[in-house]
Amino acid sequence: GAVVSQHPSWVICKSGTSVKIECRSLDFQATTMFWYRQFPKQSLMLMATSNEGSKATYEQGVEKDKFLINHASLTLSTLTVTSAHPEDSSFYICSARDNGRESYNEQFFGPGTRLTVL
Amino acid sequence: GQNIDQPTEMTATEGAIVQINCTYQTSGFNGLFWYQQHAGEAPTFLSYNVLDGLEEKGRFSSFLSRSKGYSYLLLKELQMKDSASYLCAVMDSNYQLIWGAGTKLIIKP
Repeated sequence: GAVVSQHPSWVICKSGTSVKIECRSLDFQATTMFWYRQFPKQSLMLMATSNEGSKATYEQGVEKDKFLINHASLTLSTLTVTSAHPEDSSFYICSARDNGRESYNEQFFGPGTRLTVL
Repeated sequence: GQNIDQPTEMTATEGAIVQINCTYQTSGFNGLFWYQQHAGEAPTFLSYNVLDGLEEKGRFSSFLSRSKGYSYLLLKELQMKDSASYLCAVMDSNYQLIWGAGTKLIIKP
């Protein structure tokens, strides 16, 4: 149980285009999902916390108008990188907390999406 | 500020034992996690400690001392597949994970 999927696994796009990444909890409900970015040889960096039915909470330095997050259901959150540029190339990883395990704070990670902007 | 410290890289021999240390300073504490991450993949959960002491799970064990702000991950009977980065993360008072930079573990035959 507690499986999180991401789609697509990898994407290559031209500079200036927008890319949407989906994060789904397959066998549990997740009120809260998290979006991370990881550059090569660096640790995970939290970009934003996605809350079902409300606005996402962005970390300092993350542009909310550039990284649009929508968490319309208890099993799906999307991250849209708008007007992508080469510096946005990174490994994007989502995670989700299982509503049924509120007493246990584990986050379940998706497999990640590798974005390359040409 | 909040800070998680762990060694950048460690090398060990197949079949041996290795201990990866993690020290932390965070605003509040709701548990400490260890994750394994192979290159190009997402992290996978290894352990969770919220009370002091040792948690053993097969070849892997994790220890926590809240008073010292210290944890370690102990890997026994090392296998080549254990070559990966090991991430220490602390959940703060806002239930957000604060991540260490990770320890790259290199296993040699």
